Amino acid sequence: QVQLQESGPGLVKPSETLSLTCTVSGGSISSFYWSWIRQPPGKGLEWIGHVYYSANTFYNPSLKSRVTISVDTSKSVFSLKVNSVTAADTAVYYCARGVYGDRLDYWGQGTLVTVPS
Amino acid sequence: QSVLTQPPSASGTPGQRVTISCSGSNSNIGTHTVNWYQQLPGAAPKVLIYSNNHRPSGVPDRFSGSKSGTSASLVISRLQSEDEADYYCVGWDDSLNGWAFGGGTKVSIL
Repeated sequence: QVQLQESGPGLVKPSETLSLTCTVSGGSISSFYWSWIRQPPGKGLEWIGHVYYSANTFYNPSLKSRVTISVDTSKSVFSLKVNSVTAADTAVYYCARGVYGDRLDYWGQGTLVTVPS
Repeated sequence: QSVLTQPPSASGTPGQRVTISCSGSNSNIGTHTVNWYQQLPGAAPKVLIYSNNHRPSGVPDRFSGSKSGTSASLVISRLQSEDEADYYCVGWDDSLNGWAFGGGTKVSIL
């Protein structure tokens, strides 16, 4: 059974960089799109971007200038960095496995990151 | 502003039928399959329907999905108290080169 687990600081200061890691277990990291999705408190889900196992990346245009997603296939982990954060970046961040053109089939449990105002 | 459009809320009494709509465009629903996710309070989203109308094992058959053109629908027949949750339609979008989300529909039991 594929499992994903997010890890990283739960509190980030304004203007600093948010850094999260997602560890993948129970399956290969090859041939899938590894995604980050976030959900501000009380709001809906927003796709942030994804990285293919070959390291090609695609980002949501609304966040593209501040986001970097990378993958380390040797360790079965992929990572998210969001720089210059503000209170608007406070959200539960989920990592997920995606099948191209189809669905996000496995999700992590999510991790809350707070940026104080 | 979400790429896919859903009503913010829906409700019904136990046993009733509830339908949630999801509207998109040719770059997403019109070309690719639609998936529906259920999010219970405090939990991660869970795949409810994939590839327009397929249920993963363990999902009750009172949940069904359909797609026509650039729109899709999720039907909950025989609504139950445990169905109170948020529901999201999600699909690949060629313009994004990624996944487009609906704004979510909160289903309440009256």
